[in-house]
Amino acid sequence: DAKTTQPNSMESNEEEPVHLPCNHSTISGTDYIHWYRQLPSQGPEYVIHGLTSNVNNRMASLAIAEDRKSSTLILHRATLRDAAVYYCILRDPGAGSYQLTFGKGTKLSVIP
Amino acid sequence: NAGVMQNPRHLVRRRGQEARLRCSPMKGHSHVYWYRQLPEEGLKFMVYLQKENIIDESGMPKERFSAEFPKEGPSILRIQQVVRGDSAAYFCASSAFPLAGQETQYFGPGTRLLVL
Repeated sequence: DAKTTQPNSMESNEEEPVHLPCNHSTISGTDYIHWYRQLPSQGPEYVIHGLTSNVNNRMASLAIAEDRKSSTLILHRATLRDAAVYYCILRDPGAGSYQLTFGKGTKLSVIP
Repeated sequence: NAGVMQNPRHLVRRRGQEARLRCSPMKGHSHVYWYRQLPEEGLKFMVYLQKENIIDESGMPKERFSAEFPKEGPSILRIQQVVRGDSAAYFCASSAFPLAGQETQYFGPGTRLLVL
């Protein structure tokens, strides 16, 4: 799977929007962009994924750059419960691999 | 809907003992994945199983570790003759369809193994 780069940490005030960036300059045309998060002392949790178009679900939005070399996870109103490590993961369906490759992620702190 | 269940949540073993970690996937899921998270590190893939088959064990240590997913019952990750370096959180995930690249993996709460 291609490599992703994320900031080590970010801070946000409660009830404000948060934009979590991810760079993936070596992304291939078939790589899907997935986001998972891991709350303290819990297992990872799926957030959202997309291929080319921006995606929205009840948890977040995913904005994908036109050249697909970067993406941004958007939490519209951060809550204390959103404090977690967020992982941006690329997945290539053609690679025949089903594993998720977790990097170091971005640790999001939410300030009350 | 019950999520992925893992037990025990915490397990303490002395060096040389065996550790058995169990994972019950979400209802209707027949694909199970095991990951290990060492202290202060990211999760690392260990093994991917379908019912009665190991599909990908490329992340499993060559010795002392084994996994199974029988026709009936939970998936089991077995660590023989544990050493202190095996202390970690072990997470199980399950999925419904093996759409490589697209399927969502649902994770359990993990088993935290401490080897004394």
